[in-house]
Amino acid sequence: GENVEQHPSTLSVQEGDSAVIKCTYSDSASNYFPWYKQELGKRPQLIIDIRSNVGEKKDQRIAVTLNKTAKHFSLHITETQPEDSAVYFCAASIDFGNEKLTFGTGTRLTIIP
Amino acid sequence: NAGVTQTPKFQVLKTGQSMTLQCAQDMNHNSMYWYRQDPGMGLRLIYYSASEGTTDKGEVPNGYNVSRLNKREFSLRLESAAPSQTSVYFCASSERLSGNTIYFGEGSWLTVV
Repeated sequence: GENVEQHPSTLSVQEGDSAVIKCTYSDSASNYFPWYKQELGKRPQLIIDIRSNVGEKKDQRIAVTLNKTAKHFSLHITETQPEDSAVYFCAASIDFGNEKLTFGTGTRLTIIP
Repeated sequence: NAGVTQTPKFQVLKTGQSMTLQCAQDMNHNSMYWYRQDPGMGLRLIYYSASEGTTDKGEVPNGYNVSRLNKREFSLRLESAAPSQTSVYFCASSERLSGNTIYFGEGSWLTVV
Protein backbone atom coordinates (compact mmCIF):
# COMPACT_ATOMS: atom_id res chain seq x y z
CA GLY A 1 0.00 0.00 0.00
CA GLU A 2 0.83 3.66 -0.05
CA ASN A 3 3.43 5.05 2.36
CA VAL A 4 3.61 8.78 3.03
CA GLU A 5 6.58 10.31 4.82
CA GLN A 6 6.41 13.85 6.15
CA HIS A 7 9.22 16.15 7.26
CA PRO A 8 10.00 17.88 9.49
CA SER A 9 8.02 16.66 12.46
CA THR A 10 8.36 20.06 14.14
CA LEU A 11 9.05 23.46 12.64
CA SER A 12 9.42 26.86 14.26
CA VAL A 13 9.53 30.02 12.18
CA GLN A 14 9.55 33.71 12.95
CA GLU A 15 6.31 35.50 12.28
CA GLY A 16 6.37 36.89 8.76
CA ASP A 17 8.81 34.29 7.47
CA SER A 18 7.91 31.39 5.20
CA ALA A 19 7.39 27.77 6.19
CA VAL A 20 7.82 24.70 4.00
CA ILE A 21 6.67 21.17 4.83
CA LYS A 22 7.62 18.27 2.57
CA CYS A 23 6.06 14.89 1.93
CA THR A 24 7.10 11.93 -0.17
CA TYR A 25 4.87 9.10 -1.32
CA SER A 26 5.63 5.62 -2.55
CA ASP A 27 2.81 4.67 -4.93
CA SER A 28 3.34 6.23 -8.36
CA ALA A 29 -0.38 5.70 -9.04
CA SER A 30 -1.33 8.25 -6.37
CA ASN A 31 -2.91 11.29 -7.94
CA TYR A 32 -4.67 13.25 -5.20
CA PHE A 33 -2.75 15.13 -2.49
CA PRO A 34 -4.64 17.09 0.18
CA TRP A 35 -3.27 19.00 3.14
CA TYR A 36 -5.13 19.19 6.44
CA LYS A 37 -4.59 21.66 9.27
CA GLN A 38 -5.36 20.72 12.86
CA GLU A 39 -5.34 23.42 15.50
CA LEU A 40 -4.71 22.36 19.08
CA GLY A 41 -7.62 20.30 20.38
CA LYS A 42 -9.61 20.76 17.18
CA ARG A 43 -10.59 18.64 14.21
CA PRO A 44 -8.45 18.34 11.07
CA GLN A 45 -9.69 20.57 8.26
CA LEU A 46 -8.78 20.61 4.59
CA ILE A 47 -6.81 23.71 3.61
CA ILE A 48 -5.64 22.95 0.09
CA ASP A 49 -5.33 20.02 -2.29
CA ILE A 50 -3.76 19.24 -5.64
CA ARG A 51 -4.25 16.64 -8.34
CA SER A 52 -1.43 15.05 -10.27
CA ASN A 53 -2.26 16.86 -13.49
CA VAL A 54 -1.26 20.14 -11.85
CA GLY A 55 2.23 21.14 -10.70
CA GLU A 56 1.31 23.97 -8.36
CA LYS A 57 -1.77 25.43 -6.72
CA LYS A 58 -2.07 28.62 -4.68
CA ASP A 59 -4.67 29.98 -2.31
CA GLN A 60 -3.69 33.32 -0.83
CA ARG A 61 -0.71 32.69 1.47
CA ILE A 62 -0.60 28.93 1.02
CA ALA A 63 0.57 26.94 -1.97
CA VAL A 64 1.24 23.32 -2.76
CA THR A 65 3.76 22.05 -5.29
CA LEU A 66 3.94 18.56 -6.73
CA ASN A 67 6.85 16.75 -8.36
CA LYS A 68 5.46 13.53 -9.79
CA THR A 69 8.80 12.30 -11.06
CA ALA A 70 10.38 12.51 -7.63
CA LYS A 71 7.12 11.55 -5.90
CA HIS A 72 7.10 14.42 -3.47
CA PHE A 73 4.87 17.38 -2.72
CA SER A 74 5.26 20.37 -0.45
CA LEU A 75 3.17 22.90 1.42
CA HIS A 76 4.41 26.48 1.38
CA ILE A 77 3.06 29.12 3.77
CA THR A 78 4.24 32.68 3.19
CA GLU A 79 4.05 35.68 5.53
CA THR A 80 3.29 33.41 8.45
CA GLN A 81 0.96 34.60 11.19
CA PRO A 82 0.32 33.34 14.73
CA GLU A 83 -2.91 31.66 13.59
CA ASP A 84 -0.85 29.45 11.29
CA SER A 85 0.42 27.59 14.39
CA ALA A 86 -1.04 24.09 14.11
CA VAL A 87 -0.28 20.52 13.08
CA TYR A 88 -0.32 20.01 9.33
CA PHE A 89 -0.95 16.63 7.71
CA CYS A 90 -0.26 15.71 4.13
CA ALA A 91 -2.01 12.80 2.49
CA ALA A 92 -2.03 10.87 -0.76
CA SER A 93 -4.45 8.56 -2.52
CA ILE A 94 -5.14 6.87 -5.82
CA ASP A 95 -8.16 7.75 -7.87
CA PHE A 96 -10.52 5.44 -6.04
CA GLY A 97 -12.36 5.79 -2.76
CA ASN A 98 -11.40 8.16 0.03
CA GLU A 99 -10.76 5.10 2.19
CA LYS A 100 -7.48 4.81 0.28
CA LEU A 101 -6.26 8.17 1.61
CA THR A 102 -3.00 7.68 3.52
CA PHE A 103 -1.89 10.40 5.90
CA GLY A 104 1.59 11.54 6.81
CA THR A 105 2.63 11.68 10.45
CA GLY A 106 2.14 15.43 10.79
CA THR A 107 4.25 18.56 11.26
CA ARG A 108 3.79 20.77 14.29
CA LEU A 109 4.33 24.33 13.07
CA THR A 110 4.95 27.02 15.66
CA ILE A 111 5.00 30.68 14.67
CA ILE A 112 7.23 32.74 16.93
CA PRO A 113 5.88 36.29 17.45
CA ASN B 1 -25.95 22.32 9.79
CA ALA B 2 -23.75 20.67 12.41
CA GLY B 3 -21.56 18.63 10.04
CA VAL B 4 -20.11 15.59 11.82
CA THR B 5 -20.92 15.18 15.51
CA GLN B 6 -19.51 12.48 17.76
CA THR B 7 -19.96 11.52 21.38
CA PRO B 8 -18.61 11.27 23.96
CA LYS B 9 -15.86 13.89 23.83
CA PHE B 10 -13.93 12.39 26.75
CA GLN B 11 -14.04 8.93 28.30
CA VAL B 12 -11.95 6.97 30.76
CA LEU B 13 -12.33 3.21 30.66
CA LYS B 14 -10.90 0.39 32.70
CA THR B 15 -9.14 -2.43 30.88
CA GLY B 16 -11.72 -4.95 29.72
CA GLN B 17 -14.66 -2.57 29.72
CA SER B 18 -16.67 -1.99 26.58
CA MET B 19 -18.01 1.19 25.08
CA THR B 20 -19.47 2.61 21.89
CA LEU B 21 -18.53 5.87 20.21
CA GLN B 22 -21.43 7.44 18.36
CA CYS B 23 -21.19 9.49 15.20
CA ALA B 24 -23.72 11.24 13.02
CA GLN B 25 -23.45 13.45 9.94
CA ASP B 26 -26.02 15.74 8.38
CA MET B 27 -24.33 16.32 5.01
CA ASN B 28 -26.01 13.38 3.28
CA HIS B 29 -22.64 11.76 2.61
CA ASN B 30 -22.49 8.19 1.46
CA SER B 31 -19.19 7.32 3.13
CA MET B 32 -18.19 7.44 6.77
CA TYR B 33 -14.94 6.63 8.55
CA TRP B 34 -13.38 6.07 11.93
CA TYR B 35 -9.75 7.13 12.45
CA ARG B 36 -7.48 7.04 15.43
CA GLN B 37 -4.79 9.61 16.04
CA ASP B 38 -1.71 8.80 18.09
CA PRO B 39 1.33 11.02 18.67
CA GLY B 40 3.80 10.76 15.81
CA MET B 41 1.57 8.42 13.80
CA GLY B 42 -0.85 10.66 12.02
CA LEU B 43 -4.39 9.55 11.28
CA ARG B 44 -4.93 5.84 10.75
CA LEU B 45 -8.13 4.38 9.38
CA ILE B 46 -9.82 1.84 11.65
CA TYR B 47 -12.98 1.01 9.70
CA TYR B 48 -15.00 2.65 7.00
CA SER B 49 -18.41 2.41 5.43
CA ALA B 50 -18.38 3.21 1.75
CA SER B 51 -22.17 3.34 1.64
CA GLU B 52 -25.15 2.55 3.81
CA GLY B 53 -25.25 -1.16 4.51
CA THR B 54 -21.54 -1.83 4.01
CA THR B 55 -18.53 -1.75 6.33
CA ASP B 56 -14.90 -2.67 5.73
CA LYS B 57 -11.67 -2.87 7.65
CA GLY B 58 -9.11 -0.15 7.40
CA GLU B 59 -5.46 -0.15 8.42
CA VAL B 60 -5.90 -0.88 12.16
CA PRO B 61 -9.20 -2.76 12.76
CA ASN B 62 -8.16 -5.19 15.51
CA GLY B 63 -10.11 -4.74 18.74
CA TYR B 64 -12.91 -2.72 17.14
CA ASN B 65 -16.29 -3.29 15.55
CA VAL B 66 -18.53 -0.87 13.68
CA SER B 67 -22.16 -0.51 12.75
CA ARG B 68 -23.57 1.66 9.98
CA LEU B 69 -26.98 2.17 11.55
CA ASN B 70 -28.36 4.25 8.66
CA LYS B 71 -27.02 6.79 6.22
CA ARG B 72 -26.43 9.35 8.98
CA GLU B 73 -24.97 7.23 11.78
CA PHE B 74 -21.82 5.15 12.12
CA SER B 75 -20.76 3.80 15.51
CA LEU B 76 -17.47 2.35 16.74
CA ARG B 77 -17.43 -0.25 19.49
CA LEU B 78 -14.60 -1.39 21.71
CA GLU B 79 -15.64 -4.76 23.07
CA SER B 80 -12.83 -5.22 25.60
CA ALA B 81 -10.77 -2.07 25.93
CA ALA B 82 -6.98 -2.30 26.20
CA PRO B 83 -4.44 0.38 27.18
CA SER B 84 -3.16 0.29 23.57
CA GLN B 85 -6.52 1.72 22.53
CA THR B 86 -5.85 4.95 24.41
CA SER B 87 -6.09 7.47 21.61
CA VAL B 88 -8.06 10.27 20.05
CA TYR B 89 -10.79 8.95 17.77
CA PHE B 90 -12.18 10.91 14.86
CA CYS B 91 -15.30 10.12 12.93
CA ALA B 92 -15.46 11.54 9.42
CA SER B 93 -17.66 11.58 6.36
CA SER B 94 -17.39 12.38 2.67
CA GLU B 95 -18.62 11.44 -0.72
CA ARG B 96 -16.71 8.31 -1.56
CA LEU B 97 -14.57 9.21 -4.54
CA SER B 98 -11.01 10.34 -3.95
CA GLY B 99 -10.83 14.10 -4.19
CA ASN B 100 -13.95 14.76 -2.18
CA THR B 101 -13.27 16.65 1.04
CA ILE B 102 -13.30 14.53 4.19
CA TYR B 103 -15.10 16.29 7.05
CA PHE B 104 -14.05 15.32 10.55
CA GLY B 105 -15.88 15.36 13.84
CA GLU B 106 -14.44 17.10 16.87
CA GLY B 107 -12.76 13.98 18.23
CA SER B 108 -13.21 11.69 21.21
CA TRP B 109 -10.40 11.46 23.76
CA LEU B 110 -10.35 7.92 25.14
CA THR B 111 -8.09 6.77 27.97
CA VAL B 112 -7.92 3.11 28.98
CA VAL B 113 -6.38 2.48 32.38
